[in-house]
Amino acid sequence: GENVEQHPSTLSVQEGDSAVIKCTYSDSASNYFPWYKQELGKGPQLIIDIRSNVGEKKDQRIAVTLNKTAKHFSLHITETQPEDSAVYFCAAPDTGGFKTIFGAGTRLFVKA
Amino acid sequence: NAGVTQTPKFRILKIGQSMTLQCTQDMNHNYMYWYRQDPGMGLKLIYYSVGAGITDKGEVPNGYNVSRSTTEDFPLRLELAAPSQTSVYFCASSYPGTDNSPLHFGNGTRLTVT
Repeated sequence: GENVEQHPSTLSVQEGDSAVIKCTYSDSASNYFPWYKQELGKGPQLIIDIRSNVGEKKDQRIAVTLNKTAKHFSLHITETQPEDSAVYFCAAPDTGGFKTIFGAGTRLFVKA
Repeated sequence: NAGVTQTPKFRILKIGQSMTLQCTQDMNHNYMYWYRQDPGMGLKLIYYSVGAGITDKGEVPNGYNVSRSTTEDFPLRLELAAPSQTSVYFCASSYPGTDNSPLHFGNGTRLTVT
């Protein structure tokens, strides 16, 4: 089945700097890669996703890049703000697509 | 739409007690899931369902049971609570598309077993 690894586990940046979180996956058949943001006391919420037919997708300050050859994808947050502080999870579908496998999460701290 | 609603928000159980965590969604999603999240850890899949009457085990099903009698509801049952089941439990749902689709999560049930 699919295995997803996520790095780093903790990331601390200064407000206004950029943050990058990286994930690798094992199943070359995977074709959908979502990113979720989890704020304290809440469930994860989708912030951006990318499908395997594109290499990059951007939504305001957030972008995701995908390298299918290397089997890795990354989340980029530019001009970070204190409200970006949260735990971020990458994910990929397991074989058959019924299940979603999550990375271990990255705790992002944005210092004002 | 309320989305995915979980009850209760918090619960303390004694070892050996049982309880049911409730989950309901109003988005007419076929797929529903139960995850557990231990402190500082990621999400582990307990059980999932691809439609009413169909359930299957995830990565960590031991000690849990589920049922799916309707599209909307997907309760999770703990029969004999153990301290190892202390965790935050998240229910999620998704609408199956040809190329997968995102999960919609509830806000979780925080369970402590003492």
